[in-house]
This record gives sequence, C-alpha cells and structure tokens, in this order.
Amino acid sequence: RKEVEQDPGPFNVPEGATVAFNCTYSNSASQSFFWYRQDCRKEPKLLMSVYSSGNEDGRFTAQLNRASQYISLLIRDSKLSDSATYLCVVNSPGTGRRALTFGSGTRLQVQP
Amino acid sequence: DVKVTQSSRYLVKRTGEKVFLECVQDMDHENMFWYRQDPGLGLRLIYFSYDVKMKEKGDIPEGYSVSREKKERFSLILESASTNQTSMYLCASRTTGGAGYTFGSGTRLTIV
Repeated sequence: RKEVEQDPGPFNVPEGATVAFNCTYSNSASQSFFWYRQDCRKEPKLLMSVYSSGNEDGRFTAQLNRASQYISLLIRDSKLSDSATYLCVVNSPGTGRRALTFGSGTRLQVQP
Repeated sequence: DVKVTQSSRYLVKRTGEKVFLECVQDMDHENMFWYRQDPGLGLRLIYFSYDVKMKEKGDIPEGYSVSREKKERFSLILESASTNQTSMYLCASRTTGGAGYTFGSGTRLTIV
C-alpha cells in the first residue's frame, strides 16, 4: 500500500465550479500535512499547510481527519489558472520527520 | 525568498558514465533532499542530509550516492548511469521544523 494515495484524475471542471480532492495516508504517526501545486514541467510549490482544525486561504480550504487518516482540499470559484496537479504531502516519521512523502498527484483542468 | 539552484536544467549522459547533479541553497537550511519524479510514481526520496557531512538513505538509494561538504551544497552522484535512471531530479531544502520544502527547478536527465 502506498503511504499517500490520491485519485490521479483528471478532474475537468468549468470555471466557477467548486472542486474537492481527497487524499489518504497510511502512517498514523505522520504529524505534518501539506498541499503542493505543480504546473506542467515545473517544480512543486507549497500551496498551503493543513492544520488539525482546518484552514482556509482565499478560495482554498484544507481539512484534516486524523481518525480516518485523510486530507482534503476544496477549491471554490475555480479559475483557469488553477489548472495544475495538486500533490498531497505528509511528513515521513521514519526519517525523523525531516523528509516529506508525496502522493502521485491529482490533475485538475479548469475549462472556460 | 529562499532560492534553490540546480546546476543544469537538461542533461544527456551515456550509460556507464559517472554523473554529478549539483544543488545549492542560499538560506542556511539544515536539511536538503534529492527526489526523482517519474510519471505515475510521483516523487520518490533518494537521499537526504540534515547537516554537513551527514546523509541518510531515502526510499530508493540504490545506484546513487551523495555528498554534502558545505551546508549550502548537496550533490547527487550516479555512480554508473543506467537507462532506468532517466528521470526528473528535484532538489529541495527545508529548515528544521519549517513549513515545507523549497524546490529547485529540476534537472531532466536522460541516459542514452
């Protein structure tokens, strides 16, 4: 079983739509959680950290459910510029929590 | 902004060659990482370092070695390049307890 699992998509949505991605992680000792965004042929960039109480950054909302070991990302009012691959990321307890483990990503395509 | 610089954007090498990939960061981060990214497999950790001259194996260290002689520089070495090491290589750095990684722009390495 992969440590971090995501639906690869693609999710094709019209502009203005709300879209949600889920991600599950296998190691209950993970402590830090993130969403990264990766544009085609570019490096991943940190989108937002995910906190236990849930957190919001503009149109983006992240939630963590420790009991079920899943993380979600909600994007409201989708823009064309949101088209990218979204990577779910957790810290790797086996590395002294120094390293991060990445999901394979969920591809989002926002259409006009 | 933290900057992580990888020496080459594209590289083509021959089977059996010894290949050096260089990475430099300018924000005094303790932790540096090398990942490779392949379609469908996501990012996989090769090696990481949490201090000068310290190194730890990641999930896929076979066929690779690393060097960290100075805090700002972390080198990945392919001892004898093989075609299955054709990939995108991403370097990242992170301060201990930091929010996430900063990635370099990646090196697309092709072994022929």
